[in-house]
Amino acid sequence: SAVISQKPSRDICQRGTSLTIQCQVDSQVTMMFWYRQQPGQSLTLIATANQGSEATYESGFVIDKFPISRPNLTFSTLTVSNMSPEDSSIYLCSVAYRDTIYFGEGSWLTVV
Amino acid sequence: QQQVKQSPQSLIVQKGGISIINCAYENTAFDYFPWYQQFPGKGPALLIAIRPDVSEKKEGRFTISFNKSAKQFSLHIMDSQPGDSATYFCAARTKGGANNLFFGTGTRLTVIP
Repeated sequence: SAVISQKPSRDICQRGTSLTIQCQVDSQVTMMFWYRQQPGQSLTLIATANQGSEATYESGFVIDKFPISRPNLTFSTLTVSNMSPEDSSIYLCSVAYRDTIYFGEGSWLTVV
Repeated sequence: QQQVKQSPQSLIVQKGGISIINCAYENTAFDYFPWYQQFPGKGPALLIAIRPDVSEKKEGRFTISFNKSAKQFSLHIMDSQPGDSATYFCAARTKGGANNLFFGTGTRLTVIP
């Protein structure tokens, strides 16, 4: 299996600020994804993080709000920019490894 | 539009009973159907998965039943235990696609002693 580490695990952020979430996986993977899970809700795909090229965003998510980096096959970052209370969510890093999708523990963000 | 529909939203089962969660889909391009278990404060963990070439897969107390013609699949938890209390998500992935998952809305299972 693939082991995913996310940082921070939890944070309280001020409105209008930005926060970068880091995702580190213990194996080289081609596909990395970022999901959002709002309180009590299901998971929604934000974007696919592509190594060596721009991320591919899903409908409703834009690069200016959620810039993503993917410098190598084991690491990615997601930035949540200009945060508002509506951005309070769990942000989950996910990877496809040997035909299975694995998730990190999530980064719980509360915007005040 | 929800690509994978999941029911029920919540489920209460007595210890030792059978928990059943159902999912349905429309997209015939889906070729991989995993179930995830999520405890409060944790990320989703893969529980069991099935491909459409089989009708059933069993791992311990967990069984997936798959009905390709009806485009439905379900999770059965036999001999449910209080430790099984969690939120369960079904999901589906398209073959040859970007490898990302479409999730159901989740079922909160409570197993009472």
